[in-house]
Amino acid sequence: DSGVTQTPKHLITATGQRVTLRCSPRSGDLSVYWYQQSLDQGLQFLIQYYNGEERAKGNILERFSAQQFPDLHSELNLSSLELGDSALYFCASSVDGLTRTEAFFGQGTRLTVV
Amino acid sequence: KNQVEQSPQSLIILEGKNCTLQCNYTVSPFSNLRWYKQDTGRGPVSLTIMTFSENTKSNGRYTATLDADTKQSSLHITASQLSDSASYICVVSATPNFGNEKLTFGTGTRLTIIP
Repeated sequence: DSGVTQTPKHLITATGQRVTLRCSPRSGDLSVYWYQQSLDQGLQFLIQYYNGEERAKGNILERFSAQQFPDLHSELNLSSLELGDSALYFCASSVDGLTRTEAFFGQGTRLTVV
Repeated sequence: KNQVEQSPQSLIILEGKNCTLQCNYTVSPFSNLRWYKQDTGRGPVSLTIMTFSENTKSNGRYTATLDADTKQSSLHITASQLSDSASYICVVSATPNFGNEKLTFGTGTRLTIIP
């Protein structure tokens, strides 16, 4: 158990809908990362937050948005969902948000868009 | 363009045998390189992290090497076990002069250990 909690574990929704994925980082970790992993694809970095502020942005679509709240949990909002958005979405957390610091991954949310 | 290429894409070996996975990168300026193990449907778990000055680092039966000159890294697994069946992902970090650190992920090597 990495200490990073993601909910829900599974989500099935229809095209055009909007969903929210939630991540609770490890106790004491200030930085949260979001990743997308499509079937048989590598991890794609979406966005990083540090202590409530956006720190880095990767290949995140305009239909997607995220935020980190004062209690440090984070939410990833996916809207106008398309079939191609079906993937595993991982959240990771680290103490200081530096790449040389180990990041711990949650177990992921499997999103299926039908 | 920053890229990380891993080989082979997939590998099947007998339990108890050794194997080596390769990672070549063109990320610049280099900051660090990390190997992750990812079991199917689960989050990645960090195995090792190496900075520019480190040539080798071990974590149990896993030994990673780094040649910063040739921009190559390898992950050697000794005396493989069935539980080693997973995807192994190489991740390289770049630290631009201005801006945040950027991670580039390889697509992974899928390792299957058979009894």
